[in-house]
Amino acid sequence: RKEVEQDPGPFNVPEGATVAFNCTYSNSASQSFFWYRQDCRKEPKLLMSVYSSGNEDGRFTAQLNRASQYISLLIRDSKLSDSATYLCVVNPGELNNNDMRFGAGTRLTVKP
Amino acid sequence: NAGVMQNPRHLVRRRGQEARLRCSPMKGHSHVYWYRQLPEEGLKFMVYLQKENIIDESGMPKERFSAEFPKEGPSILRIQQVVRGDSAAYFCASSPNQQGVGTEAFFGQGTRLTVV
Repeated sequence: RKEVEQDPGPFNVPEGATVAFNCTYSNSASQSFFWYRQDCRKEPKLLMSVYSSGNEDGRFTAQLNRASQYISLLIRDSKLSDSATYLCVVNPGELNNNDMRFGAGTRLTVKP
Repeated sequence: NAGVMQNPRHLVRRRGQEARLRCSPMKGHSHVYWYRQLPEEGLKFMVYLQKENIIDESGMPKERFSAEFPKEGPSILRIQQVVRGDSAAYFCASSPNQQGVGTEAFFGQGTRLTVV
């Protein structure tokens, strides 16, 4: 089993749609979780951290389910500019260790 | 505060040559990560280093690849005797020296290696 697995996609949605991505992780001791965004041929950039209680940032909502070992990202009212690859990142967060593992990414295309 | 700096941005090597990729982490960051991204694929972890130490190299190919992060200077990813399959984007990321719960990593713009 891969350390971090994501919906393979691609997701093709119309503007204004709501879309959700899931990500599962294998290390039950993982402590930190993030969603990154990567535009074509660019470097990944942090979209949002994921906290235990779930968190929201504008149109984006991230949820963490420790019991089932998955995190999700919900995008409401999709914009054309949301088209990108979304990467799930898990950090074991052991003391003195900031190891980070990325999922393969889910590609989203938002169409007019 | 400059971000993570990678150079060169583009590198062309003939088969059998050596490739050296450099990464200068953000100021104050002592954790460096290298990732490889093949065309149309996701990021693959290669190696995680702290100053003068390799913490996790489980993603590094056993042969031809090596990485270092010396006390002074940038981190170097070295690929010896390159082959066409090494053609990819190599991203470096860094994170601050913070113990306990992990913090986000900041990425450089990557080095695109083309082996001809």
